[in-house]
Amino acid sequence: EVRLVQSGAEVRKPGESLKISCKGSGYSFSTNWIGWVRQMPGKGLEWMGIIYPGDSDARYSPSFQGQVTFSADKSINTAYLQWSSLKASDTAMYYCARHRPGWGHSDYWGQGSLVTVSS
Amino acid sequence: DIVVTQSPDSLAVSLGERATMNCRSSQSVLFSGTNNNYFAWYQQKPGQPPKLLIYWASTRESGVPDRFSGSGSGTEFTLTINNLQAEDVAVYYCQQYYDTPYTFGQGTKLEIK
Repeated sequence: EVRLVQSGAEVRKPGESLKISCKGSGYSFSTNWIGWVRQMPGKGLEWMGIIYPGDSDARYSPSFQGQVTFSADKSINTAYLQWSSLKASDTAMYYCARHRPGWGHSDYWGQGSLVTVSS
Repeated sequence: DIVVTQSPDSLAVSLGERATMNCRSSQSVLFSGTNNNYFAWYQQKPGQPPKLLIYWASTRESGVPDRFSGSGSGTEFTLTINNLQAEDVAVYYCQQYYDTPYTFGQGTKLEIK
């Protein structure tokens, strides 16, 4: 069974750093792109970008380039989304999702990680 | 970036009736080499992650009831839900995956009339 399990809710202050995780199981983690999607409170889905865990090749949406960093550790089947200096506007639910092998639609999703940034 | 625009923003339909929602992309997402439209539909219920319903514009994901269907090509796409059930209340999103960034539409909120 394919599963993506994300790390739990986080509360941080503006300016702090954060790294959240997405652990895959039940499939070949290294050879499937993982995407990250942001959903701000009460809003729609925003595609942030993707990473290929096999070689850590990452593609960012221009809206998120320079604002976040994707990484992956294929030895433990885990992808990461990282911020170096959080802003209040980063408050959102963040989802990871597997891209169907070879294609761009997302067939399995994590449960989401809620990030709250507040002073 | 390819802009994807959904309509309407919200929709109220009676149980057992048909719901129809649309998406338009700012450029064609039909890849001539494979004759596939790189277009998907997702359903998101409150408090849950999105769920893949339709890919390649019209291919139903395994386990999705056949009352859900997708159609369209190029820049115009439609999601149709026949015989609307109470459990279909959700927000529906479309997405193009023809070119990065793989943009989503803004969503259509479906309610029961």
